[in-house]
Amino acid sequence: DIQMTQSPSSLSASVGDRVTITCRASQSISSYLNWYQQKPGKAPKLLIYAASSLESGVPSRFSGSGSGTDFTLTISSLQPEDFATYYCQQSYSTLPTFGGGTKVEIK
Amino acid sequence: QVQLQESGPGLVKPSETLSLTCTVSGGSISSYYWSWIRQPPGKGLEWIGYIYYSGSTNYNPSLKSRVTISVDTSKNQFSLKLSSVTAADTAVYYCARGGRIAPGDMDVWGKGTTVTVSS
Repeated sequence: DIQMTQSPSSLSASVGDRVTITCRASQSISSYLNWYQQKPGKAPKLLIYAASSLESGVPSRFSGSGSGTDFTLTISSLQPEDFATYYCQQSYSTLPTFGGGTKVEIK
Repeated sequence: QVQLQESGPGLVKPSETLSLTCTVSGGSISSYYWSWIRQPPGKGLEWIGYIYYSGSTNYNPSLKSRVTISVDTSKNQFSLKLSSVTAADTAVYYCARGGRIAPGDMDVWGKGTTVTVSS
């Protein structure tokens, strides 16, 4: 299995802050990396696919970068509706796996 | 716009079989991969398996011996069966559409259904 490790597991930030979440794969996954946002009681929502492609309808303050084993999700200016848990997920192997999640909380 | 809706019993007894159905509306089930994912209370996401509309399947090895996913293209539905359940199978179960680039790129999700395993 390809293990996905996210850091930090949680963070506190203020509205307007720039937030960066990292995700590391246990082996190279090329650019087969997706980012999801999940709010309490809701299903995950796809934000970024193929490491850096913005899903339709997702605000441009979200961006993704990286390839191989190291990836980053950046929120350029945190908005109130962005407080949520974020998951990375690899789709490189026939066994898709998720990171443990990063909970973004209000400072 | 494609929507997915999970349905099935919310309570299953230990050792019995969990059965869920996902109904696809607003689009065809053809030409995509259809996954089941679960999330135990307070925990992260675990992919269970997917089925291609043609019927080919791929399961998580950790669950493979207990999982069956099937598709009914005439009803635009796909289903999950998980046998011999225990309390560890208590979770919110989601269905999702995949295939944006890879089968595991899940771009449309159902709202999820809570399944509790208890006697």
